[in-house]
Amino acid sequence: EVQLVQSGAEVKKPGESLTISCKASGYIFTGYWISWVRQKPGKGLEWMGKIDPSASYSNYSPSFEGRVTISADKSVSTASLQWTNLKASDTAIYYCARHRGYYESVDFWGQGTLVTVAS
Amino acid sequence: QSVLTQPPSVSGAPGQTVNISCSGGKSDIGSNYVYWYRQFPGTAPRSLIYRSNQRPSGVPDRFSGSKSGTSASLAISGLRSEDEADYYCAAWDDSLRGVVFGGGTTLTVL
Repeated sequence: EVQLVQSGAEVKKPGESLTISCKASGYIFTGYWISWVRQKPGKGLEWMGKIDPSASYSNYSPSFEGRVTISADKSVSTASLQWTNLKASDTAIYYCARHRGYYESVDFWGQGTLVTVAS
Repeated sequence: QSVLTQPPSVSGAPGQTVNISCSGGKSDIGSNYVYWYRQFPGTAPRSLIYRSNQRPSGVPDRFSGSKSGTSASLAISGLRSEDEADYYCAAWDDSLRGVVFGGGTTLTVL
């Protein structure tokens, strides 16, 4: 059974750094891309970027380029999303999701990680 | 502003059929598969339709997807109260080299 289990909720202050994680199981981690998707309170889904775990190659939506870093550790089948300078506007739920195939959308989703940034 | 366009809301009576539209362009829906997701409040999205018209195991055949040109549609027949949720369409975008989503449609069962 495919599972994506994300790390727990975080509360941070503006300017702080943060890394959240997404541990995959039930499939070959390096065989499928992983994307991160943001959902602000009461709003829709926004694609942030993706990583190919086999090559650790990532690309980002222009809206998120330079603001976050997506990485993957094949040895523990885990993808990560990192910020170095959080802003209050980063408050949202963040989902990791697995792509069904190359150049397709995602099919399996993690449970989401709530990130709250407040002073 | 989302790349794919969905109606903000649709409604229907129990037992009726509703259709949710999703409009895009040449580089997304026009060139790639459409996916549909359902999201209940406080939970993660879950796949409802993949590859434009395929249902994952466990999704009832009351849900069906179609695609034509740069538009797609999700049909839900035999509406039930438990179908009330937000529905999102998505597709790979060749220009973005990423996924684009619709803004979401809230379904209300009257």
